[in-house]
Amino acid sequence: GNSVTQMEGPVTLSEEAFLTINCTYTATGYPSLFWYVQYPGEGLQLLLKATKADDKGSNKGFEATYRKETTSFHLEKGSVQVSDSAVYFCALRENGQNFVFGPGTRLSVLP
Amino acid sequence: ETGVTQSPTHLIKTRGQQVTLRCSSQSGHNTVSWYQQALGQGPQFIFQYYREEENGRGNFPPRFSGLQFPNYSSELNVNALELDDSALYLCASSLETTGKASLFGPGTRLTVT
Repeated sequence: GNSVTQMEGPVTLSEEAFLTINCTYTATGYPSLFWYVQYPGEGLQLLLKATKADDKGSNKGFEATYRKETTSFHLEKGSVQVSDSAVYFCALRENGQNFVFGPGTRLSVLP
Repeated sequence: ETGVTQSPTHLIKTRGQQVTLRCSSQSGHNTVSWYQQALGQGPQFIFQYYREEENGRGNFPPRFSGLQFPNYSSELNVNALELDDSALYLCASSLETTGKASLFGPGTRLTVT
């Protein structure tokens, strides 16, 4: 079945540091890939998505590129802020069916 | 966008009881999915409803059941609650024909004691 693996957290960075959160997936077909963010006490918010190989999703300074050859969708941001502290979930979805989420990576950004 | 709303926000139940959680989908969305997010884990798919019919189910026992109404709002019912049912329950709505990403609600935090 389909699955998503993310790097273990928590990740602690200083403000303005570079962020990478690794995500790899296993899928039977050609899924769409997503990054969702969850702030404390809240639900999930879509951060960015990519629907086919080599697509780059971007939003609020975050980027991720759909790499079919390495089955990866790593999240990056050049300069993190304290307000980016949250839990980040990588997810895939195939043919409009349900999402399959990774376990999440908690990010803490220190001032 | 009106967004996805869920009620109640928090709920405390006793083992063995039954619970009903509610979700109002984004206006114009005809598909609702429910997810269970245990503490410190990623959301797990429970089931999906499309035009009032169950349209896919994850690895959850039959005591997890649902409904979708003509206005596309939805309910999640859990019978014979167990301690492990304590979790954040998320509802997501979408319009399947567009292929757009689902919109998630804020969730209902269920605690079973």
